[in-house]
Amino acid sequence: QQQVKQSPQSLIVQKGGISIINCAYENTAFDYFPWYQQFPGKGPALLIAIRPDVSEKKEGRFTISFNKSAKQFSLHIMDSQPGDSATYFCAGDISSGSARQLTFGSGTQLTVLP
Amino acid sequence: DGGITQSPKYLFRKEGQNVTLSCEQNLNHDAMYWYRQDPGQGLRLIYYSQIVNDFQKGDIAEGYSVSREKKESFPLTVTSAQKNPTAFYLCASSLGTGAYYEQYFGPGTRLTVT
Repeated sequence: QQQVKQSPQSLIVQKGGISIINCAYENTAFDYFPWYQQFPGKGPALLIAIRPDVSEKKEGRFTISFNKSAKQFSLHIMDSQPGDSATYFCAGDISSGSARQLTFGSGTQLTVLP
Repeated sequence: DGGITQSPKYLFRKEGQNVTLSCEQNLNHDAMYWYRQDPGQGLRLIYYSQIVNDFQKGDIAEGYSVSREKKESFPLTVTSAQKNPTAFYLCASSLGTGAYYEQYFGPGTRLTVT
């Protein structure tokens, strides 16, 4: 089972607030967990990624928290800004033979109110 | 500028017609991918290619075909056998597939079939 479950489907946050998006996975063979950010009409772009042997990774206002035993990980956006309004996807990356495949969550549409 | 080009941005076709979506990259990446994105869903992998003249089916390959005659190009044909072809199609590339490499996405093509 390669499914990645993402919640919530949509999120509205006030400017300056904290946005939290959660993901859960089933396949323990995933060995990398990236988050992608997508603006309307554009392709996704890598935001931040984490390996499962690390519990937390921070880049600027964006932090991934990773709980290997619970098979869960989350994205925290501190001091959320209107420019952060976008759709966010979590993913699990896995080696498939000599190739690698990404399995994406269903996405979270974040709206940051000014 | 290095990047991925997808054309056209919008494409309209009548039911029963095959249509080919273009994807070109000048990043000198070995691996290329095609994803389909539907509203409220994550990206689903259609086909991927690790090297020229080689490609593999993804999770939803039925009704699609690809070719990889040049390193820079990975066109996707949506055939009349694809039962629900209307979607946003995204092409991506990465440096390789043996280890985790970031996937870079193009701007996408929105296909509407009526």
